[in-house]
Amino acid sequence: QVQLQQWGAGLLKPSETLSLTCSIYGGSFSTYYWSWVRQPPQKGLEWIGEINRSGSTNYNSSLKSRVTISVDTSKNQFSLKLSSVTAADTGVYYCARAMPAGYIPWGQGTLVTVSS
Amino acid sequence: DIQMTQSPSTLSASVGDRVTITCRASQSISTWLAWYQQKPGEAPKLLIYKASTLETGVPSRFSGSGSGTEFTLTISSLQPDDFATYYCQQYNSYFRGFGGGTKVEIK
Repeated sequence: QVQLQQWGAGLLKPSETLSLTCSIYGGSFSTYYWSWVRQPPQKGLEWIGEINRSGSTNYNSSLKSRVTISVDTSKNQFSLKLSSVTAADTGVYYCARAMPAGYIPWGQGTLVTVSS
Repeated sequence: DIQMTQSPSTLSASVGDRVTITCRASQSISTWLAWYQQKPGEAPKLLIYKASTLETGVPSRFSGSGSGTEFTLTISSLQPDDFATYYCQQYNSYFRGFGGGTKVEIK
C-alpha cells in the first residue's frame, strides 16, 4: 500500500523560497502523475501542479511563474519549490498521487507560514 | 483552465436528511470528476471517481451522478460522521482544479 510522507520548512519570510519534499513508500513512480495541492487557512483546495517519473510537468497557470516541481526517481521522491512567497502562500501543502480515479493517497500535509 | 463551481457553499442539515451537492464545470469534462470529503485537520479523502463510481470502503449512502458540465453528490441519509466539507475535482484536463467546497453543518 503506497504511503506518502512529506516534509519541509514550516516558517518562511516574505520573498523566500518554499521547499517541500514528498517521499513515496510501498510503491514506485510507475506511470502516474504526482501532485501538490495547497489549502489556505479556512479556505478551499488549490491545485498547484504535478509531475511524472519522466519529469513532465503541468502547473496551475496562476502560480506557474513561481513554481518548480521536480522528481528524484533514485530516492523515490518528488519536490515542490515556490519562489518569492508572500503571506498569501500561507497554508497547508499536500502531496498526492494522481490515479486515473482521482487523488489517492495523500500526504499528511505540511503547514507553511509566511511571516516577517 | 476549466473552472469548477460548487453549490451551496454551506448546507445545514440534520441526521437522516437526504443531502445533495452540485458541481458545475465551465466546459464539458465527460465523467472525469471526483468527490472528496475533508474533516478539520485531515487530508481530503476520495469518495467517488469517474463521477459515479464509489471508492472501495465508502458507505453506499454516498452516490454521484452527472456528466458533461453538471454533477451531483448525494448522501441518502446523513450520518454524524458525514458532517464535513466536500470538494469536487475535475481531471479531464491537465489543470485538475477543485470546486470551492461545500461545508455540511449540523442543523
